[in-house]
Amino acid sequence: KAGVTQTPRYLIKTRGQQVTLSCSPISGHRSVSWYQQTPGQGLQFLFEYFSETQRNKGNFPGRFSGRQFSNSRSEMNVSTLELGDSALYLCASSFTSGYQETQYFGPGTRLLVL
Amino acid sequence: AQSVTQPDIHITVSEGASLELRCNYSYGATPYLFWYVQSPGQGLQLLLKYFSGDTLVQGIKGFEAEFKRSQSSFNLRKPSVHWSDAAEYFCAVGNQAGTALIFGKGTTLSVSS
Repeated sequence: KAGVTQTPRYLIKTRGQQVTLSCSPISGHRSVSWYQQTPGQGLQFLFEYFSETQRNKGNFPGRFSGRQFSNSRSEMNVSTLELGDSALYLCASSFTSGYQETQYFGPGTRLLVL
Repeated sequence: AQSVTQPDIHITVSEGASLELRCNYSYGATPYLFWYVQSPGQGLQLLLKYFSGDTLVQGIKGFEAEFKRSQSSFNLRKPSVHWSDAAEYFCAVGNQAGTALIFGKGTTLSVSS
């Protein structure tokens, strides 16, 4: 079974631009979560989607948004990029958003904002 | 406030020696606890998780962790470290679904020969 895939793997953008990252969960998984990893702040939870609905949300500004499609694939969008948005963005999927699930992480998309 | 603290930023252990990585948490509800490992250029891999029951949890690659509610701790242990264990280790606490994880800042493990 294929793992979580994220595209693109690397991305360079300029301040003020917007960016869209994509995540394809493990087949059959319906919950997708996004995390930001930076050297200073570490790993921080962004949001979780299940069945196309946002179930949980972290403490990030509204410039960070996401969505989930009917096939469980998810995208996250960052508008008006700032230098501090440079990070590794990790996607994780789990079978449901129910009870005692295990999250499986993708390799991440490394975003550099210049 | 909900948080996870990993007091050790960097640990060096000799190959074959035992290992203990510390983790303390603060969580308002029943804590569901996890240890993940991240190798360079890799995503996170789950080592083990604790939801309920036996407070000593066995994981993959010979790792185990013990949940101590009175100390708000969930320390990771391995009796004999291998060079391939060199990586960054993250402790996390989450909701009962196992999602929306709050991570510690991580401990980097180096293994010396």
